[in-house]
Amino acid sequence: DQQVKQNSPSLSVQEGRISILNCDYTNSMFDYFLWYKKYPAEGPTFLISISSIKDKNEDGRFTVFLNKSAKHLSLHIVPSQPGDSAVYFCAASANDYKLSFGAGTTVTVRA
Amino acid sequence: DSGVTQTPKHLITATGQRVTLRCSPRSGDLSVYWYQQSLDQGLQFLIQYYNGEERAKGNILERFSAQQFPDLHSELNLSSLELGDSALYFCASSMGQGYGYTFGSGTRLTVV
Repeated sequence: DQQVKQNSPSLSVQEGRISILNCDYTNSMFDYFLWYKKYPAEGPTFLISISSIKDKNEDGRFTVFLNKSAKHLSLHIVPSQPGDSAVYFCAASANDYKLSFGAGTTVTVRA
Repeated sequence: DSGVTQTPKHLITATGQRVTLRCSPRSGDLSVYWYQQSLDQGLQFLIQYYNGEERAKGNILERFSAQQFPDLHSELNLSSLELGDSALYFCASSMGQGYGYTFGSGTRLTVV
């Protein structure tokens, strides 16, 4: 039962442009959402998070938007840089500390 | 270095065998989580321990077991291995909700 879904397996964007990654969830008990970034041969690294009491959180070039009514969140990367090429995982948790992950979106930033 | 140490990095073994994967959490983190990432799939939650006790269980097979020791390191035991168990196994640790996870670099298990 996939409670967190990333429907786009891949995204290609030109350097300097905006990357938008989308994530949908089904569990209404989720109250904390995170994005992780993963390079080949490395473990995922925490990127940015948002609590369900907020609808936006910004950290430098990264902004996460949460639409609770639609059970949808998105990650915006502006401007995209070659070093942003990686796999991005969306994750969510309820009060049980356990994170449920999406299948990931592979981002390729073209020079 | 994320602070979470997983050993070994690579493991090749035959079907029917048993292996043990080890994880040392980041200093100060009490929770340890195990995840499996198979080819082209996301991270599947296996099990969580908190301060030595099992806290949550995911889609972990009966052939798999885990434990967390008093020094907080954790081991994931995989037995009667099958070809389909070939995957990346990640360990993560955290202080609790709101802090996110810190992942290790994973153990790549290949069953031949």
